[in-house]
Amino acid sequence: GESVGLHLPTLSVQEGDNSIINCAYSNSASDYFIWYKQESGKGPQFIIDIRSNMDKRQGQRVTVLLNKTVKHLSLQIAATQPGDSAVYFCAERMGGGADGLTFGKGTHLIIQP
Amino acid sequence: DTGVSQDPRHKITKRGQNVTFRCDPISEHNRLYWYRQTLGQGPEFLTYFQNEAQLEKSRLLSDRFSAERPKGSFSTLEIQRTEQGDSAMYLCATPSTGGGNEQFFGPGTRLTVL
Repeated sequence: GESVGLHLPTLSVQEGDNSIINCAYSNSASDYFIWYKQESGKGPQFIIDIRSNMDKRQGQRVTVLLNKTVKHLSLQIAATQPGDSAVYFCAERMGGGADGLTFGKGTHLIIQP
Repeated sequence: DTGVSQDPRHKITKRGQNVTFRCDPISEHNRLYWYRQTLGQGPEFLTYFQNEAQLEKSRLLSDRFSAERPKGSFSTLEIQRTEQGDSAMYLCATPSTGGGNEQFFGPGTRLTVL
């Protein structure tokens, strides 16, 4: 079965507001997690990643939080812009360092003007 | 620019035909990954290469799927006797040049099987 999933399929936020996209994973042995953004007709675009020995990592306008106790991952986007509208996927590494990633189904983020 | 190009970008074929897709990393990477993405779903890992060696085959969807990376640079993914259920986006990914764990995806090949 699917080991990575998302709580909400669609999230609508006002432009300028902060958004939080959530993800649950089931493989407690996963050691690496990534967030991707995918716009229509394009391949997934890397946003930010985090190793399992961390609980928070910040990038430009984005923050990823990892809670290993409840196996939960979140992506926070600050001051959302129209260009943030896309589908967001969390993914976990299956193990071994060079294995493929397991993706969830995605959350569609809609930015309202 | 992710450093990965894929060709063709779109392919329409009739059921039963064979198709081949190509992935070209712009710079040299020892690892290369193939994924499939169906509508409304996240990418699904298929296989990956370490240089010329294909290290993971068990996730290929059926024996109709095969992949090669003959010189350790570009890679091809072939689907024989295509079925309508093969319609999907086929994505190629390579790791970062800095040696990190990130995977950077190409634009994908959209396959439609009629």
